[in-house]
Amino acid sequence: ETGVTQSPTHLIKTRGQQVTLRCSSQSGHNTVSWYQQALGQGPQFIFQYYREEENGRGNFPPRFSGLQFPNYSSELNVNALELDDSALYLCASSLGLTIDGYTFGSGTRLTVV
Amino acid sequence: KQEVTQIPAALSVPEGENLVLNCSFTDSAIYNLQWFRQDPGKGLTSLLLIQSSQREQTSGRLNASLDKSSGRSTLYIAASQPGDSATYLCAVPLLVYNNAGNMLTFGGGTRLMVKP
Repeated sequence: ETGVTQSPTHLIKTRGQQVTLRCSSQSGHNTVSWYQQALGQGPQFIFQYYREEENGRGNFPPRFSGLQFPNYSSELNVNALELDDSALYLCASSLGLTIDGYTFGSGTRLTVV
Repeated sequence: KQEVTQIPAALSVPEGENLVLNCSFTDSAIYNLQWFRQDPGKGLTSLLLIQSSQREQTSGRLNASLDKSSGRSTLYIAASQPGDSATYLCAVPLLVYNNAGNMLTFGGGTRLMVKP
């Protein structure tokens, strides 16, 4: 049984660019949740995808968008990058809408310069 | 809006001490509360999950308690070791989503250093 994998592990982008981050959910899980964690802070919920549909969204602007594929892997897209988007982006997968088996990936460290 | 606060923000203790980390939340209508551990630059590992009907959970040297009425949870670490050095985060489900609660609101964390 594989865990949650995220790619890339690190990347550097320039302000105004667009970025795509990827998350492969744990085997058997059909729900992916994305979080943003700024340095020295707790993670903040961005959105969740369940069975390829957005199931909930936190307080993030529309330039943060996502997608879930039939194999339940997911992408997070951020357009028009700002310096404040620099953070660790975490995804977590689970089965359905319960907290059981909630598993985090190791994250993608995004630096915007 | 649910807000989660953790005190202290940082803690440094000598090896062997027993310690308590605190977590408070503003709305007591929670389904559960979870404690996580995060090593530097890494993802989160779940330590303990307390359902709203429970008052505490134990795993090895860790014990977490939950008092919904006062909006508080504590994580007790017995006989601390250098390997316990990490950031500890508590989380509760977002209020606006009235489901089983796997969209989480986190506290800011307590950064723990245990010195040999």
